[in-house]
Amino acid sequence: GAVVSQHPSRVICKSGTSVKIECRSLDFQATTMFWYRQFPKKSLMLMATSNEGSKATYEQGVEKDKFLINHASLTLSTLTVTSAHPEDSSFYICSALGAGRNQPQHFGDGTRLSIL
Amino acid sequence: AQSVSQHNHHVILSEAASLELGCNYSYGGTVNLFWYVQYPGQHLQLLLKYFSGDPLVKGIKGFEAEFIKSKFSFNLRKPSVQWSDTAEYFCAVNQAGTALIFGKGTTLSVSS
Repeated sequence: GAVVSQHPSRVICKSGTSVKIECRSLDFQATTMFWYRQFPKKSLMLMATSNEGSKATYEQGVEKDKFLINHASLTLSTLTVTSAHPEDSSFYICSALGAGRNQPQHFGDGTRLSIL
Repeated sequence: AQSVSQHNHHVILSEAASLELGCNYSYGGTVNLFWYVQYPGQHLQLLLKYFSGDPLVKGIKGFEAEFIKSKFSFNLRKPSVQWSDTAEYFCAVNQAGTALIFGKGTTLSVSS
C-alpha cells in the first residue's frame, strides 16, 4: 500500500532553533500534502495545505512566517518551524494525497517536537 | 462552517460488549467519510472509508460504519470488542481533494 515517510520522528531542541520536518511519499506522487498538528489528548488540527509547485494555503490562526512549508516536488514537502519556542512543542503529522478522484489520504508517522 | 462532532468523549466497555461510536458532520455537498484509529503511542491508521455506494461500510478488525445521509451521521460499530481495541478513534470528513476535518476523538477503554 501507499507509504508516507516522515522524518525525523522526534526532535528535542533549544528555544530559538529552527527545525525542518520532511514528508515523503515513497511509492506514489502526491499532488497535495497536508500538515496537521495534534496537541496531547486532542484531535488533529489542519495547519496548511501544500500543493506541488505553489504556495501553501494556511488555515486561520497559523502563522505562515513561523511555519514555512515547501512542496518542491511531487514526493516531498517540508515544514520548517522557525525560531521555535516551547509553545510550538507538539506532534506534527503530514498526509499525502495522490492524484485522481477519491484517493484516501496517507499519513506519516508524525514528528514529536519538544522545545526546551 | 464545516465541522465533525463525536459525541462520546470516553467510552468504557468490557470485552465482548458491543460498540457504537457516534459521528455527525455539518457539511454541504458530497462528502467522503472516514474513521481512523490511533493506538497508544502509534500513528493514525485508517479503519474504513466511505466514498459512495453501499452506505454500510466494512473495515478492518471487524469494524463497520453506516452512512445515514438524512441524519448526517457515520457511526462506527463493532459487535464484540476486544481489549486490543483500546485506542483513540477519530471520525473525519472531507470533500474530494481537500483536507480532512477531524472530530475531537473518542477514547475507548476495554477491560478484560
